[in-house]
Amino acid sequence: AQSVTQPDIHITVSEGASLELRCNYSYGATPYLFWYVQSPGQGLQLLLKYFSGDTLVQGIKGFEAEFKRSQSSFNLRKPSVHWSDAAEYFCAVGAPGSNSGYALNFGKGTSLLVTP
Amino acid sequence: EPEVTQTPSHQVTQMGQEVILRCVPISNHLYFYWYRQILGQKVEFLVSFYNNEISEKSEIFDDQFSVERPDGSNFTLKIRSTKLEDSAMYFCASRVAGYEQYFGPGTRLTVT
Repeated sequence: AQSVTQPDIHITVSEGASLELRCNYSYGATPYLFWYVQSPGQGLQLLLKYFSGDTLVQGIKGFEAEFKRSQSSFNLRKPSVHWSDAAEYFCAVGAPGSNSGYALNFGKGTSLLVTP
Repeated sequence: EPEVTQTPSHQVTQMGQEVILRCVPISNHLYFYWYRQILGQKVEFLVSFYNNEISEKSEIFDDQFSVERPDGSNFTLKIRSTKLEDSAMYFCASRVAGYEQYFGPGTRLTVT
């Protein structure tokens, strides 16, 4: 069955430290991959996406993610975390070749806490 | 920058009542979606809509749910007879021919 796994429910990092949020997927083919961020009381904002090509993708707010086909992973990274990065982060996967709907399948999210 | 808007931001209703959640997608977008997020759980797909018809729906989207694009700008989700378990945040999303879905801020539905 198709699935998206974010192994870490909560992560706490110090401001200025580096960050890596993990995402693994199980799909029949290479899917389209996304990271969204949700601040408290807010909607879902797209951080970055991967469709094809260069496996290291850059996003907004200084985030990047690397697609590793061999590990079925799409981990999100940031070299230096700011207090404003505290939020919920969702990995999402869309299946190419599906009908025009192409629903997104979300992971359960990782809650990021940033300490001074 | 264009954005998806949703109204109301919070809706409280009694069990068994009908509710309509409204969304205004980004104006040149062609594909429309509804997702929901029950408190503490992941975001779940409900339905996608293209060319004035449903293109895909999940198991959650049963006969109690319907969607409509009544005019050129609005996209609505109707729940005919709400249940307690319908309490959730409902997100609307839209996209153009590319693949990114842009999400609205959500409507929190509370069924009492």
